[in-house]
Amino acid sequence: QVQLQESGPGLVKPSQTLSLTCTVSGDSIYSGGYFWSWLRQHPGKGLEWIGHIYYSGSTYYNPSLESRVTMSIDTSKNQFSLKLSSVTAADTAVYYCARADYYGLGSFSRFDPWGQGTLVTVSS
Amino acid sequence: QSALTQPASVSGSPGQSITISCTGSSSDVGSYNLVSWYRQHPGDAPKLIIYEVSKRPSGVSNRFSGSKSGYTASLTISGLQAEDEADFFCCSYAGSSRHVLFGGGTKLTVL
Repeated sequence: QVQLQESGPGLVKPSQTLSLTCTVSGDSIYSGGYFWSWLRQHPGKGLEWIGHIYYSGSTYYNPSLESRVTMSIDTSKNQFSLKLSSVTAADTAVYYCARADYYGLGSFSRFDPWGQGTLVTVSS
Repeated sequence: QSALTQPASVSGSPGQSITISCTGSSSDVGSYNLVSWYRQHPGDAPKLIIYEVSKRPSGVSNRFSGSKSGYTASLTISGLQAEDEADFFCCSYAGSSRHVLFGGGTKLTVL
């Protein structure tokens, strides 16, 4: 059974860089066939996709966040990571990592499973 | 404002059926059969309940069904149960420029 677990600081100061890691168990990131994804949910709001990374290192980012987002993958640790720079209070959210089925030509079909989520607060 | 439009809330009585709509455009829902639906109980992570418009993952009740017509996808829940009370989100692949879009979510209340 595949499980994902987010980890990282719960508090980040404005203008700094938010860094989170997702550890995958029960599957190999290097096996292919999946995107490894980050999503977030502002308090009381809907879901927002941040980006995907494929095991090859290819990345796909939300155009609205692309200038501030960097995703990377560490196959030796079976982890993938998110960095979001120049954060503001608007980046306060629960951040989720998830696996997405690669459907070909950059498309995907579903996010499953999800990590439990981690709340990141941006505040001085 | 979310890119996919869902009603903010729907309600129904136990045993009834309800349908939640998810309206997009020709660039997303209308072009790809890659619509998925997620259920989220308070404090929990979202859980996949429908993918590729109408497919159910293993372990998901057959009371949940999905469909699509034109630019609108729909989730139907039959035989409503108290445990169905949750938030529901739709999601669609949106092509090489926007990639992924979500609906704003629908709160289901079981009366």
